[in-house]
Amino acid sequence: DIVMTQTPLSSPVTLGQPASISCRSSQSLVHSDGDTYLSWLQQRPGQPPRLLIYKISNRFSGVPDRFSGSGAGTDFTLKISRVEAEDVGVYYCMQATQFPQTFGQGTKVEIK
Amino acid sequence: EVQLVESGGGLVKPGGSLRLSCAASGFTFSRYIMNWVRQAPGKGLECVSSISNSSSDIYYADSVKGRFTISRDNAKNSLYLQMNSLRAEDTAVYYCARNFDYWGQGTLVTVSS
Repeated sequence: DIVMTQTPLSSPVTLGQPASISCRSSQSLVHSDGDTYLSWLQQRPGQPPRLLIYKISNRFSGVPDRFSGSGAGTDFTLKISRVEAEDVGVYYCMQATQFPQTFGQGTKVEIK
Repeated sequence: EVQLVESGGGLVKPGGSLRLSCAASGFTFSRYIMNWVRQAPGKGLECVSSISNSSSDIYYADSVKGRFTISRDNAKNSLYLQMNSLRAEDTAVYYCARNFDYWGQGTLVTVSS
């Protein structure tokens, strides 16, 4: 199975300041079809996960443009340009390039 | 609007069984891979089972293989998870997810004597 490793596991951030989360996979996430199936999910307290970013850098429907994704191969990053109060929660990277789909451990974003 | 509504969770004794259901609406259910993902209290996400749109391809996590059975009824826009021989470590919120882009609210399964 592909192991997804996120850093940091906790990220205290000041409102209005940027935040960044890294995700590394144990092997390349480039699929044989040429796409890279790396997604980012947000889970607010008491809520189900919500898709933010798919295929590295594509924002899902309704996701604010302060969220952006980048990376390639085995190294990926989620950036929040200016953290708002509603961004508090746990963020997961996830790969769907290879079965089984696997998730990172999660990064908790909280306000300082 | 895409909607996924899980049901069937509850309290069950170790060794018992439960059947989870997920009612889908707002999209053409038969076109999508569907998944069951669980989250133990205070823990991360684990995909326990996936099923292709035609049910021809099925995946189970090692932790549930031989005990859980995923199925779907495209005519009823429904996804199911039959869970047998339940263990304390199966205690979790179980989410139904379409391709991981839409998720249900989840249903809580508690395995305890």
